[in-house]
Amino acid sequence: LAKTTQPISMDSYEGQEVNITCSHNNIATNDYITWYQQFPSQGPRFIIQGYKTKVTNEVASLFIPADRKSSTLSLPRVSLSDTAVYYCLVGDGYSSASKIIFGSGTRLSIRP
Amino acid sequence: DAGITQSPRHKVTETGTPVTLRCHQTENHRYMYWYRQDPGHGLRLIHYSYGVKDTDKGEVSDGYSVSRSKTEDFLLTLESATSSQTSVYFCAIGSAGSSGANVLTFGAGSRLTVL
Repeated sequence: LAKTTQPISMDSYEGQEVNITCSHNNIATNDYITWYQQFPSQGPRFIIQGYKTKVTNEVASLFIPADRKSSTLSLPRVSLSDTAVYYCLVGDGYSSASKIIFGSGTRLSIRP
Repeated sequence: DAGITQSPRHKVTETGTPVTLRCHQTENHRYMYWYRQDPGHGLRLIHYSYGVKDTDKGEVSDGYSVSRSKTEDFLLTLESATSSQTSVYFCAIGSAGSSGANVLTFGAGSRLTVL
């Protein structure tokens, strides 16, 4: 599985756009990029998944450049409730669904 | 959480006693996972299952065993609990996301304290 690197922590303010970048230099052709959000005392929650270019849903956008060696999770106009840990995972579909390994994640703190 | 239940949610036990945590799903998904999470740390994969009676080790499997005798249940057993196994245990089920790749849905967690 491709190893991922993301910042340990980030700070921002309410109403700002937050971009969290994840590096995955060894991403394989069949790999997808998936982001999860985790609040204290809860299990991680799926945010968004993509393979290339841009994916957008009601919560976030995911930008993936052509070489796919990195990806950026974009949270528009964050609020205090977006304070959480965000995990970037890389892996292909069910052929490697076996070992789904989480990294340390990015601890995002939003201030008033 | 959608179709996945963990039990017990909280348990306090003593060193050396056996403990079994249960993960139950109503989604009929093939893939199930057990993770542990210690304070201030990320999730570590203990064991996973890719079908009935098909299981394999994760990153931190020592001291843990699992069983999956039917699709809906994935059991995690600590044969002889130690204080180092005090943690929050999360179960997850894997299903295809809109992109076709695996997406995990997590249970609410089981908080285990070993005295």
